[in-house]
Amino acid sequence: QQQVKQSPQSLIVQKGGISIINCAYENTAFDYFPWYQQFPGKGPALLIAIRPDVSEKKEGRFTISFNKSAKQFSLHIMDSQPGDSATYFCAANRARDDKIIFGKGTRLHILP
Amino acid sequence: DTAVSQTPKYLVTQMGNDKSIKCEQNLGHDTMYWYKQDSKKFLKIMFSYNNKELIINETVPNRFSPKSPDKAHLNLHINSLELGDSAVYFCASSQDRDWNEKLFFGSGTQLSVL
Repeated sequence: QQQVKQSPQSLIVQKGGISIINCAYENTAFDYFPWYQQFPGKGPALLIAIRPDVSEKKEGRFTISFNKSAKQFSLHIMDSQPGDSATYFCAANRARDDKIIFGKGTRLHILP
Repeated sequence: DTAVSQTPKYLVTQMGNDKSIKCEQNLGHDTMYWYKQDSKKFLKIMFSYNNKELIINETVPNRFSPKSPDKAHLNLHINSLELGDSAVYFCASSQDRDWNEKLFFGSGTQLSVL
């Protein structure tokens, strides 16, 4: 059972555009929602994360929007740059649970 | 200084062989993990150790045996390698088991079984 569904599988955006990746979760016990960024040949690295007590978190050009009632959250990359080209994973877990559940990833390509 | 380091970076071997991947973290974290990433980039947890104690074993074939000599090291030994074991294996660590809000990943070991 896939508990975190991520879409789209791949995304192509023009430089300067907005990249949007969506995730939906099933387990209402989840209370931590990170996004990881992975460049080719590297391990994933934490990009930004949100807890369900807020509806939005912004760090530079990266914003997470969170909709608790819909059980959905999304990553917005403003002014997308070629250096943002990577695979992005949403994830979810709950405190005191060792297992973080990853989405299947989105391959983002920013056209120069 | 690399926070989570794993060796080797690439591993090419024949079916039926036994191989090991080593992982070390210098972050002082209590919890370490092994993840498998398949060709479609799907990340799946295999094992988790907390202070040398196994806490997660995600229905992994018993050909895979993790070993944690101390909390800074978590090695993965694979017996009788099969074609389907070909993947990228990532070691990761986090501060503790109760609040693993940030995972630190190594750069991965690309295993190719021929």
